[in-house]
Amino acid sequence: KNQVEQSPQSLIILEGKNCTLQCNYTVSPFSNLRWYKQDTGRGPVSLTIMTFSENTKSNGRYTATLDADTKQSSLHITASQLSDSASYICVVSESFQKLVFGTGTRLLVSP
Amino acid sequence: GAVVSQHPSRVICKSGTSVKIECRSLDFQATTMFWYRQFPKQSLMLMATSNEGSKATYEQGVEKDKFLINHASLTLSTLTVTSAHPEDSSFYICSARASGTGAGSSYNEQFFGPGTRLTVL
Repeated sequence: KNQVEQSPQSLIILEGKNCTLQCNYTVSPFSNLRWYKQDTGRGPVSLTIMTFSENTKSNGRYTATLDADTKQSSLHITASQLSDSASYICVVSESFQKLVFGTGTRLLVSP
Repeated sequence: GAVVSQHPSRVICKSGTSVKIECRSLDFQATTMFWYRQFPKQSLMLMATSNEGSKATYEQGVEKDKFLINHASLTLSTLTVTSAHPEDSSFYICSARASGTGAGSSYNEQFFGPGTRLTVL
């Protein structure tokens, strides 16, 4: 069964600190992997998207990595800000349009 | 960047009434739009996939007669929740996939709307 698992389920960090979120997937065939940020009561906003051949991609303070061999991805947030408090969702594209969603990591950045 | 809007953002209705939610791609054409439902503290669950000009494809367990989807143009899809009941209360999110060579097309990227909070009393 195609699955996307994320860890930790929730995380609290102090403002200014770094953190890393993990994503493991068993989706096959693999098309691409995306990280989204979802604020409470809002739709997901794309942070990064990577294909099989890309193993790292950055978007400002967000850096995603992908190891297609081990089927693992991580999202690293540098110098966290209060506005980073949100759910972060790892999504793997199974085929041309089918997306498999992870359950998300709820991040709280504390002042 | 590609923008997807939804209307309304919030709706409260009485049990038994029908509610229509609109999803529009504002600056690109979307041959395919997707409708998701999200319950509190859970991830998005795909309800249906709609292609412009054809019938929507519903995921297993989603009642097509209850959740009517119309995708009449390349920029508009609507979801109508018919005879809504309290258990239909949820956060409904649409997404649109760019067609052709526009924004995100190289990654087959979906752009999400801001969501619609439905509360059925």
